Amino acid sequence: DAKTTQPTSMDCAEGRAANLPCNHSTISGNEYVYWYRQIHSQGPQYIIHGLKNNETNEMASLIITEDRKSSTLILPHATLRDTAVYYCIVRVRTNAGKSTFGDGTTLTVKP
Amino acid sequence: DAGVTQSPTHLIKTRGQQVTLRCSPKSGHDTVSWYQQALGQGPQFIFQYYEEEERQRGNFPDRFSGHQFPNYSSELNVNALLLGDSALYLCASSGGPRTFLNEQYFGPGTRLTVT
Repeated sequence: DAKTTQPTSMDCAEGRAANLPCNHSTISGNEYVYWYRQIHSQGPQYIIHGLKNNETNEMASLIITEDRKSSTLILPHATLRDTAVYYCIVRVRTNAGKSTFGDGTTLTVKP
Repeated sequence: DAGVTQSPTHLIKTRGQQVTLRCSPKSGHDTVSWYQQALGQGPQFIFQYYEEEERQRGNFPDRFSGHQFPNYSSELNVNALLLGDSALYLCASSGGPRTFLNEQYFGPGTRLTVT
């Protein structure tokens, strides 16, 4: 599985959009981009995934660059409850078991 | 619909002892993966079980072993505990590798402390 690079930490004001970047320059053609988040001392929670098109669900939007070497997770209206560690991983879709997590981005939403 | 459940929530063991952690997957899932998460780090893949067999393994020693039962639940066993085994142990379930039901759902974890 390809390696990802994320900033260590980010701050965001409550009610504003939070944009979390991820670099995955060695991604393979059959690898998807997945995002998870982990609120303190809980298990990671699945947010969204995509291959090459932008994706949106009730939690977030995922923007993947045309060359697929980077992506951005967007939380449109961040709340205090969105404070968490956000992980970006890349893997083939049929290999759900072996997800390689980095250290993620700690997002702090401030009032 | 119950999600992934794990037991116990917390556990304290002494160096050299053995421990067994348990996991029940989300309804409809038949694949279970185990992860170790040290404080301040991301989860690290230990191994995956499907059809009662270990299918994939991460870079962990043989002291770490597992089992999957016919009802898809799973156990993680760690022998000869070391202080460095202190961590949050996460179980994740998903559909089998022949399906596309492979978004992983994680349990709340078991916090293991080795003294």
